[in-house]
Amino acid sequence: QVQLLESGGGVVQPGRSLRLSCKASGFTLSSYSIHWVRQAPGKGLEWVAVISYDGSNEYYGDSVRGRFTISRDNSENTVYLQMNTLTAEDTAVYYCARGIFDLWGQGTLVTVSS
Amino acid sequence: EIVLTQSPVTLSLSPGERATLSCRASQSVSSQVAWFQQKPGQAPRLLVYDASTRATGIPARFSGSGSGADFTLTISSLEPEDFAVYYCQHRGSRFTFGQGTKLEI
Repeated sequence: QVQLLESGGGVVQPGRSLRLSCKASGFTLSSYSIHWVRQAPGKGLEWVAVISYDGSNEYYGDSVRGRFTISRDNSENTVYLQMNTLTAEDTAVYYCARGIFDLWGQGTLVTVSS
Repeated sequence: EIVLTQSPVTLSLSPGERATLSCRASQSVSSQVAWFQQKPGQAPRLLVYDASTRATGIPARFSGSGSGADFTLTISSLEPEDFAVYYCQHRGSRFTFGQGTKLEI
């Protein structure tokens, strides 16, 4: 089955770190760029980051640049999002999406709260 | 930074009617626009990319048009399952979403 599965969400205190994972199955991850997109409760979609198919290029949204790092391990069919110095404004459901956004995971909820 | 403005914010229609959703960019974005549908509790679904190309498996009642700075998503005859929130998106080195249009009955 072709799918993306996010994991690693949870409740974290402000200022702390969290790493999300996005595992691919049913297709060759190394052929695709992968994005992270987030959605705060009751709000719209916000693009977070993208990594090229081979990991040679990364781009970030303004609100996370310098705090978040996207990476990938194609041998493990997994893309990661390392999130540092988290604030309440980072509270959201985080989705990973493939290439032209034609395949999305189900999302993982990150809650930043003391 | 390119800003996408969607209108209307909310669109109230009935099944069988035609829906026209607008997305305006703050500057020309060529044809680098996609449209997504999102239902409550679900991930977004790609409907249209490159302004007018329907994604795989998307019904023909969905069509996208436009270029430059003005884009439109048209649903020719609304089905009950089409009532959802719709987002446009610009694809460049960054990927910007509009704020969404809620299509309601």
